[in-house]
Amino acid sequence: DAGVIQSPRHEVTEMGQEVTLRCKPISGHNSLFWYRQTMMRGLELLIYFNNNVPIDDSGMPEDRFSAKMPNASFSTLKIQPSEPRDSAVYFCASSSQGAGELFFGEGSRLTVL
Amino acid sequence: AQSVSQHNHHVILSEAASLELGCNYSYGGTVNLFWYVQYPGQHLQLLLKYFSGDPLVKGIKGFEAEFIKSKFSFNLRKPSVQWSDTAEYFCAVNGVGQAGTALIFGKGTTLSVSS
Repeated sequence: DAGVIQSPRHEVTEMGQEVTLRCKPISGHNSLFWYRQTMMRGLELLIYFNNNVPIDDSGMPEDRFSAKMPNASFSTLKIQPSEPRDSAVYFCASSSQGAGELFFGEGSRLTVL
Repeated sequence: AQSVSQHNHHVILSEAASLELGCNYSYGGTVNLFWYVQYPGQHLQLLLKYFSGDPLVKGIKGFEAEFIKSKFSFNLRKPSVQWSDTAEYFCAVNGVGQAGTALIFGKGTTLSVSS
């Protein structure tokens, strides 16, 4: 069974460009989470969805960040405009509602020059 | 505020040494507790989890953790580490019964095992 699928795996872009990260959760899972990992701050929750509805976006750093989940099998995290301090690994995770355990994707490593 | 504290930032051990990584949490209410492992360049994988019942939980690869409610702790242990255990280890918590609640992670402990 396929796990959480993220794309792209690596992205290098220049400051000011728009970045879109994509995630396909495990089929049947109805909670989806976006985390950001950096050396300085560790794993930070950015936003999470239950049944495609955003529940908590308090971790989204600023208005440059936005996330959508148009259906149960797809979510995007967009950064516009990107800045060098956005460089990090962005992880998507999914879970079955109530199960507690999160399943993580391979991550998208973003470098903003 | 909800938080997870991992006391050791970097632990260096020789093969066959015993391991204990500390984890304390601050969370109102009943909790689920987790340890995840991240091997170099890879994604997070679940090592073990505690939901209820026996506070001593056994996970994969010989790891175990003990939930001590009075100390708000969930320390990870392994009697004899291997070189392949070199990785970053994350303790995490969420609330019981809160369907879909996100995990709150500690900052992680890097384990380096020398052969």
